[in-house]
Amino acid sequence: AQTVTQSQPEMSVQEAETVTLSCTYDTSESDYYLFWYKQPPSRQMILVIRQEAYKQQNATENRFSVNFQKAAKSFSLKISDSQLGDAAMYFCAYRSAEGAQKLVFGQGTRLTINP
Amino acid sequence: DVKVTQSSRYLVKRTGEKVFLECVQDMDHENMFWYRQDPGLGLRLIYFSYDVKMKEKGDIPEGYSVSREKKERFSLILESASTNQTSMYLCASSLWTSGPTGELFFGEGSRLTVL
Repeated sequence: AQTVTQSQPEMSVQEAETVTLSCTYDTSESDYYLFWYKQPPSRQMILVIRQEAYKQQNATENRFSVNFQKAAKSFSLKISDSQLGDAAMYFCAYRSAEGAQKLVFGQGTRLTINP
Repeated sequence: DVKVTQSSRYLVKRTGEKVFLECVQDMDHENMFWYRQDPGLGLRLIYFSYDVKMKEKGDIPEGYSVSREKKERFSLILESASTNQTSMYLCASSLWTSGPTGELFFGEGSRLTVL
């Protein structure tokens, strides 16, 4: 079974600075998808960014980018120019490319933005 | 916009009560999921469904059952609530797809307290 590990329960960053959230996963599959989801306080979880394992190029969405290291099974999220609205729980998630379309989530990292 | 609606944001129940958590999505998604969110444990999959009347056990199905009589509605049932089922319950839905675009859309969550 696949597992996802986020080793940083909490992180904090000064507004306008850059922060990187770590995620590692364990799988024997070669084709899969990886996601970062954001859960703002008392609000719905939303997708931040996704990565396809067969693509070597790291995904980017505006201020959000990932560092995908397939051999190391690492998938970190970099947030540039941090804003107060980035404060949230961030979850890393894994989905197999075949079979059941369920996501396996990590433990989450709570990100605080200091003004 | 996709909307996933969970019937109750906050519930307080007594040990032994039967509890129904309802979830409705309005985008004709095939897949629906129930996750449980606990601090330090992230999201854990309870049950999921990829079609009407179809259900699959997730990682922690013990003490729960589900019902999907209509495509848009997925219910989570606690037959006899126990204190260790105090948690945040998240419903999600997604399109059936073989690609990475089948992102999960989440409801706002139902926070259940069992006394």
